[in-house]
Order: sequence, then structure tokens, then C-alpha cells
Amino acid sequence: DVKVTQSSRYLVKRTGEKVFLECVQDMDHENMFWYRQDPGLGLRLIYFSYDVKMKEKGDIPEGYSVSREKKERFSLILESASTNQTSMYLCASSFGGLGNQPQHFGDGTRLSIL
Amino acid sequence: AQTVTQSQPEMSVQEAETVTLSCTYDTSESDYYLFWYKQPPSRQMILVIRQEAYKQQNATENRFSVNFQKAAKSFSLKISDSQLGDAAMYFCAYRNIGSGNTGKLIFGQGTTLQVKP
Repeated sequence: DVKVTQSSRYLVKRTGEKVFLECVQDMDHENMFWYRQDPGLGLRLIYFSYDVKMKEKGDIPEGYSVSREKKERFSLILESASTNQTSMYLCASSFGGLGNQPQHFGDGTRLSIL
Repeated sequence: AQTVTQSQPEMSVQEAETVTLSCTYDTSESDYYLFWYKQPPSRQMILVIRQEAYKQQNATENRFSVNFQKAAKSFSLKISDSQLGDAAMYFCAYRNIGSGNTGKLIFGQGTTLQVKP
């Protein structure tokens, strides 16, 4: 089974801090994604990566950056955390190509910015 | 830009009965994929069912089936013989097929399904 592991289930940080959310997948997937989930808004894509060191902005990249130095690991960075970044963050991965490969998700990180 | 709309924030169903969750989408593409994902209270999102737009036949996975109406851009999920374990948030998602496809999904707002014993 595919396993996508997010480093923390719950995280509390203070405004202005630099925050790192880590995600690791064990299925050699080319694609990795970071979403945030908010009530009534569904999942919104922050950033995605289709290869090592490659990244593309999603729909809401402002205030975030990402890093993918190794194929299995995709990090989301909040450069200077703000209270409006309090949310659930979900990492996902999938195979590349044109097929209908589904995305596989981690358990999520509930991030609170105080 | 493509959009996905789930107009039912909450639904409830009696155990063993059937429920249908609605999803509509907007796209100018002719080839794409559609998915339903389930997020139980434990929060890990899992795939329920998927549909290729070029296939006329509706996808089925055990008690889960879809009603795919391409012209109407509608993709509803039917759950038959509902079980307590079906209680979750359900997300409809769209994915383009085409040049530069990177597997990016566009999600709806989600529908919370309650199953009553």
C-alpha cells in the first residue's frame, strides 16, 4: 500500500515564525502536492511538484514556498506564519503521466498560528 | 478555469438506504477524469471511485456508483445500502487530461454525509 506520511498531526506556532511541514511518500511517485483544507472551501492547491527540484504554483501560493530535494520528500514552508494560515494541510502524491492515477493522501496536519 | 461545485454541504441517510451526492463541474475540455474521494473523521482521504470522460458507461465499485452526465456536466455519487462506516466528508474532484498534465486535481467544497442507525 502507498504510504504518505506527514511529520505532524497537530502543530501550534506563533505569528512570524518560519514553519516547516514535511511530507514523505514511499511509492516512488513523481507528483507531490500540498493542499489546505478549510470549511466550505474544500481543498485548495498551494503548490505541486512533478519532479525533483521542480515546482509549480497552485491556486493559493502566497505566503508559502516549497522544497523538493529528493523524490520522496516534499516540504511546505510558511516563511512568516500569520493567523490566516491556520488550517488543515494535506499532502498528496501520485504517479506522473496521462493516466487516471489517483492521488494518495497523508493524514493531514492541523496547524494553528497564534 | 475549471470549477467543481458541490451544492449540498450536508446530507443524511438512514442505514441500509440509498443516498445520492451531487456534483457539477465546468470545463471547456472534452477529455478529463472525475473522482470521488472520501474523508472519514480520521481524516485520511481515500479514493472511492473514478470516471473517464470518454467512457459512456457509469463507473461502479461495489455499493458505490456514479451517474455521469457529460452534456450536463454532472457527476453524482450514489451510495446503496448505506453503512455506518460511510459517514464521512465526500469530495468531488476534476482532473484535466492534456499536454502538461501534472495530475493536478480541482476539488469541490465537500459534502458531509451522516448515516443514522
